[in-house]
Amino acid sequence: EAGVTQFPSHSVIEKGQTVTLRCDPISGHDNLYWYRRVMGKEIKFLLHFVKESKQDESGMPNNRFLAERTGGTYSTLKVQPAELEDSGVYFCASSQGLGTTRGELFFGEGSRLTVL
Amino acid sequence: AQKITQTQPGMFVQEKEAVTLDCTYDTSDPSYGLFWYKQPSSGEMIFLIYQGSYDQQNATEGRYSLNFQKARKSANLVISASQLGDSAMYFCAMRRVLGGATNKLIFGTGTLLAVQP
Repeated sequence: EAGVTQFPSHSVIEKGQTVTLRCDPISGHDNLYWYRRVMGKEIKFLLHFVKESKQDESGMPNNRFLAERTGGTYSTLKVQPAELEDSGVYFCASSQGLGTTRGELFFGEGSRLTVL
Repeated sequence: AQKITQTQPGMFVQEKEAVTLDCTYDTSDPSYGLFWYKQPSSGEMIFLIYQGSYDQQNATEGRYSLNFQKARKSANLVISASQLGDSAMYFCAMRRVLGGATNKLIFGTGTLLAVQP
């Protein structure tokens, strides 16, 4: 069974350009999450989808970030226009349920974004 | 506010020895979950171990055990018999359980573990 896959693995763009990151969750997982790690800092929650609906987007930094999950399958995270402080690793994760115990969350390998 | 603190940016351990990675947390929630994830150089975040705030016993998963001290708000990860493949970044995380279950995790800054032969 395929795990969570993310594309691209690394993107280098200039300030002001647009980048779109894609995440394919594990098949059948209704819950999809985006997290971000800025260099040297903690991994921070961005948002949570349940199927195609945004359940919680309290971690989205500003309106330059747009996440979508059309049809409740894969998700995209667009940054437009990108700023220097957006550089970091963007992780996608999925889970089958929310989990009252382990609620295991499966992570992808991340998409590293470098804004010059 | 919820917070996870990992005070060790880097650790060294000799192969086959045990190592403890520190994690303290801050929360006012009565119910929460604590996790440890491993991130090898490949980048993927790998789930290691989970401890629920009401669990009576410390969690164990193979060579991993979680030293949960609720009164001190600490959840240290103990890796026994370290192997070279254990070299990685380790993140402690907490899950809030508000009105219902959630997988919104709060992470620490991580500890980079290097296992030496």
